[in-house]
Amino acid sequence: AQKVTQAQTEISVVEKEDVTLDCVYETRDTTYYLFWYKQPPSGELVFLIRRNSFDEQNEISGRYSWNFQKSTSSFNFTITASQVVDSAVYFCALSAYNQGGKLIFGQGTELSVKP
Amino acid sequence: GAGVSQSPSNKVTEKGKDVELRCDPISGHTALYWYRQSLGQGLEFLIYFQGNSAPDKSGLPSDRFSAERTGGSVSTLTIQRTQQEDSAVYLCASSLEGTGGFSPLHFGNGTRLTVT
Repeated sequence: AQKVTQAQTEISVVEKEDVTLDCVYETRDTTYYLFWYKQPPSGELVFLIRRNSFDEQNEISGRYSWNFQKSTSSFNFTITASQVVDSAVYFCALSAYNQGGKLIFGQGTELSVKP
Repeated sequence: GAGVSQSPSNKVTEKGKDVELRCDPISGHTALYWYRQSLGQGLEFLIYFQGNSAPDKSGLPSDRFSAERTGGSVSTLTIQRTQQEDSAVYLCASSLEGTGGFSPLHFGNGTRLTVT
């Protein structure tokens, strides 16, 4: 069975602080894909990043960075120098190869960045 | 280009009535998904369409739920004899290709369904 756990339900930080959102997953598949999505107050889920199970290289995009570690089944997301506009619910998700692209979502972490 | 479009954005209905929710995917996307988002259950997969293949209905919670996709494009999710526990935001998503599992899903803004 596949499962994604985001243990942090809510995080509150002050602007310019760094913040890390944790994601731990479970799967028996050897080939799988991990995703992060952002859901701002407007409600639309916005795709942020995809990682393949066979590529553990970390990725940085501006103030965002992702740390993928297969040894600990984790795919953590760090926002550097957070801004108020980063306030949203962030979802980590997993899909297995050749299973139709169905995403298994974590419960989400609500990030509040205060000015 | 246009994203995934869903209508209506809000729907209030009385318990026992049927409702239809519509989804217009991104042009050229062959895969289409319906998800439900509610406070207690998070994001739940409902149904998946890939091209002309038979849909994957494994996530539909009861036989009151059904969906179709006409002409490989627009999809309609129908809930018959609505119950209060059906109240949720229904999200539609599409992707370039679903089979491999690697194409990101692009979501619409959702339809907020309230059953009174």
